[in-house]
Amino acid sequence: DIQMTQSPSLLSASVGDRVTINCKASQNINKYLNWYQQKLGEAPKLLIYNTNNLQTGIPSRFSGSGSGTDYTLTISSLQPEDFGTYFCFQHNSWPGTFGAGTKLELK
Amino acid sequence: EVQLVESGGGLVQPGRSLKLSCAASGFTFSNYYMAWVRQAPKKGLEWVATISTSGSRTYYPDSVKGRFTISRDNAKSSLYLQMNSLKSEDTATYYCARQRTMGITPSYFDYWGQGVMVTVSS
Repeated sequence: DIQMTQSPSLLSASVGDRVTINCKASQNINKYLNWYQQKLGEAPKLLIYNTNNLQTGIPSRFSGSGSGTDYTLTISSLQPEDFGTYFCFQHNSWPGTFGAGTKLELK
Repeated sequence: EVQLVESGGGLVQPGRSLKLSCAASGFTFSNYYMAWVRQAPKKGLEWVATISTSGSRTYYPDSVKGRFTISRDNAKSSLYLQMNSLKSEDTATYYCARQRTMGITPSYFDYWGQGVMVTVSS
């Protein structure tokens, strides 16, 4: 199985900050990388699919980039509603695998 | 609006069985692959099972293969997960999710339900 290493595991930031979250795959995943946001007690929400495609309804402050084994989620200007946990997920090969998550908290 | 509502969770003893259900609405259920994904307490997410639109193809990771069975009823827009020989490590919140495909290959999950808790303990 492909291992997804996500960093950092905890990120403290302020409203208005630019933040980046990283995911590194154990092998090339051909840009089949997706990002999810999860708030406490809620269902995960798809933000970005296939590296850099914004899911319908997701604000443009979210963006994704990367190739090969290294991928990044960027939030250009953090808003109060963006705090929560973020997961990456690869579907290049099955079983699809998730990163361990990044908890984004208010500094 | 896409809605997925899980039910059927609860406390069950090791070795026993439990069946989860997911009621879908807001989209043409029969046109989409569907899946179950779980999250153990304070742990990450793990894909559990996927089923094709007709139900003819199913996919499982080794951790549940032979114990879990995913099924669907397109007439009722419902998804199911039959879990047998449950173990303590199956304790988790189970999410129903709609799954996109690349051709006939499962890909990412685009909508998720709120989840249902399953606790396996004596």
